[in-house]
Amino acid sequence: GAVVSQHPSWVICKSGTSVKIECRSLDFQATTMFWYRQFPKQSLMLMATSNEGSKATYEQGVEKDKFLINHASLTLSTLTVTSAHPEDSSFYICSAWASGNYEQYFGPGTRLTVT
Amino acid sequence: AQSVSQHNHHVILSEAASLELGCNYSYGGTVNLFWYVQYPGQHLQLLLKYFSGDPLVKGIKGFEAEFIKSKFSFNLRKPSVQWSDTAEYFCAVNAGNNRKLIWGLGTSLAVNP
Repeated sequence: GAVVSQHPSWVICKSGTSVKIECRSLDFQATTMFWYRQFPKQSLMLMATSNEGSKATYEQGVEKDKFLINHASLTLSTLTVTSAHPEDSSFYICSAWASGNYEQYFGPGTRLTVT
Repeated sequence: AQSVSQHNHHVILSEAASLELGCNYSYGGTVNLFWYVQYPGQHLQLLLKYFSGDPLVKGIKGFEAEFIKSKFSFNLRKPSVQWSDTAEYFCAVNAGNNRKLIWGLGTSLAVNP
């Protein structure tokens, strides 16, 4: 149980285009999901907290107009990277909060490459 | 501000050696403590967690961690490592009912066969 999926697992896009990444909790409902960036050999950087039915809470320094987050249902949150630039290339990871176990379950991540 | 520090950034061990990875946090109130592991090419998974009760917590794959409140520490241990323990290890903390995790920078463990 407590599986989180992400789609796509890998995406290449051209500079200036937008990319949507989906995060799904497959066997539990998650009122809260988190979006992270992870750079090679580094820790996770929390980008935002996604709350079902309300606006996401962004961490300091994260552009909310560039990284659009939508949490329309209890099992799905999406991150859209708008007008992507090469510096947005990174590994994006989502996690879903399982209130029963009081812990976060992580998706496998999405590798974004902007050319 | 809350923070988590992991003292060892890179650790190299031989198989059967004992492991201890340090984790300290700064927060004066009630905390929940976690250790996550990320094997090469895989997603993060929980090794163990501490909320309350016995400060010595046992996790998966033979790992354990001890919460020492007076030292604000939650060190991870394993008596005898295996090559398959090669991975990145992250310590994380959340305060009280706050769901947001504060992460350490991680420790890269390489176990030589």
